[in-house]
Amino acid sequence: SQQGEEDPQALSIQEGENATMNCSYKTSINNLQWYRQNSGRGLVHLILIRSNEREKHSGRLRVTLDTSKKSSSLLITASRAADTASYFCATGPIPSKIIFGSGTRLSIRP
Amino acid sequence: NAGVTQTPKFQVLKTGQSMTLQCAQDMNHNSMYWYRQDPGMGLRLIYYSASEGTTDKGEVPNGYNVSRLNKREFSLRLESAAPSQTSVYFCASRTGLAGEDTQYFGPGTRLTVL
Repeated sequence: SQQGEEDPQALSIQEGENATMNCSYKTSINNLQWYRQNSGRGLVHLILIRSNEREKHSGRLRVTLDTSKKSSSLLITASRAADTASYFCATGPIPSKIIFGSGTRLSIRP
Repeated sequence: NAGVTQTPKFQVLKTGQSMTLQCAQDMNHNSMYWYRQDPGMGLRLIYYSASEGTTDKGEVPNGYNVSRLNKREFSLRLESAAPSQTSVYFCASRTGLAGEDTQYFGPGTRLTVL
């Protein structure tokens, strides 16, 4: 089974709304990362949050981490059509072994 | 810099055939990875190489072998392809330095096994 599991599996929202997706993981971590994948493309790194951080911002992205619950959330504010993509969390039981979750497919309706 | 490159981009094999997927990075990264992604699914780790000279199994290593040829190159071999190995294969690299965990991905190889 995978280290990270995203929830929901799919999300459809209106342009301009906020999108929230969640990730749960199983083992202790050094950090947790979020990646985006546009259809048919490779993954692009979005943001990394370390285990001693609780919240991190990057532009319209906000990531939270709760190590006691082994969970993280990614919030995208003021969504745009270009945000349509799949989003994955990634972490690992050891620093070198990075494992991805199953992903959330985000669709932004015009 | 080209980043992470993968060859070929597309490949069709018959069951039982063998092939090697090539991956190279020009960022002087220590760690390299092979993932597979089935349609509509997340990435699953096949093998990884934390540093030159080492390789380790990931989540789904059966049916695959890898070679870390040098610091730049990490190849994935299918000895006897099966239809279940139809997938998109992604190679990735990271510096491998403590605290630097961002992975950089190649464009992928789309493999179909008939």
